Amino acid sequence: SQQGEEDPQALSIQEGENATMNCSYKTSINNLQWYRQNSGRGLVHLILIRSNEREKHSGRLRVTLDTSKKSSSLLITASRAADTASYFCATDWDSGYALNFGKGTSLLVTP
Amino acid sequence: GAGVSQTPSNKVTEKGKYVELRCDPISGHTALYWYRQSLGQGPEFLIYFQGTGAADDSGLPNDRFFAVRPEGSVSTLKIQRTERGDSAVYLCASSLWGEETQYFGPGTRLLVL
Repeated sequence: SQQGEEDPQALSIQEGENATMNCSYKTSINNLQWYRQNSGRGLVHLILIRSNEREKHSGRLRVTLDTSKKSSSLLITASRAADTASYFCATDWDSGYALNFGKGTSLLVTP
Repeated sequence: GAGVSQTPSNKVTEKGKYVELRCDPISGHTALYWYRQSLGQGPEFLIYFQGTGAADDSGLPNDRFFAVRPEGSVSTLKIQRTERGDSAVYLCASSLWGEETQYFGPGTRLLVL
């Protein structure tokens, strides 16, 4: 079963605006990752944050992690039409290696 | 270098038939994962290989599903007596030993009529 749950399910913004997506999970984790998926096919890794980290940046991406609330957020600044995709958070499975994905946030960035 | 490849891209079959889906991981990646993604959902874990052996197959939904990786590289996911509910995109991913980041293939879209 899926542990993570993203919020909102869908988000529509204009180019240049910031997009914020949230993820909540249920059990303790070693790390949390965010992936992006275009057109329902392969996923691309965006960023990983470890359980002992609170914030991480990568280019226009900013991820936060609050282990006390079991939640994470992904911020995309100055969004572009090319950012249109589905975004998933993923936590580590019981085995520690496989991933447990949420249902995703569908982001639409209009020019 | 080449990424993860999966064949076929699309597979249409009839209920009750047997199908095989193939995954070719990134060269040198010892870990290989299979996931299944239904429409509007996130990927769901099926099975994980470390080398030739299945390290965790707890995600396989039932005994109609089986996967092999005989030489520690290419993997085949086998589905017997397919059902309409098996229709989904089957994703394969690989990673280096101990690396958390996974590299996904484009998936195989399976449609069971």
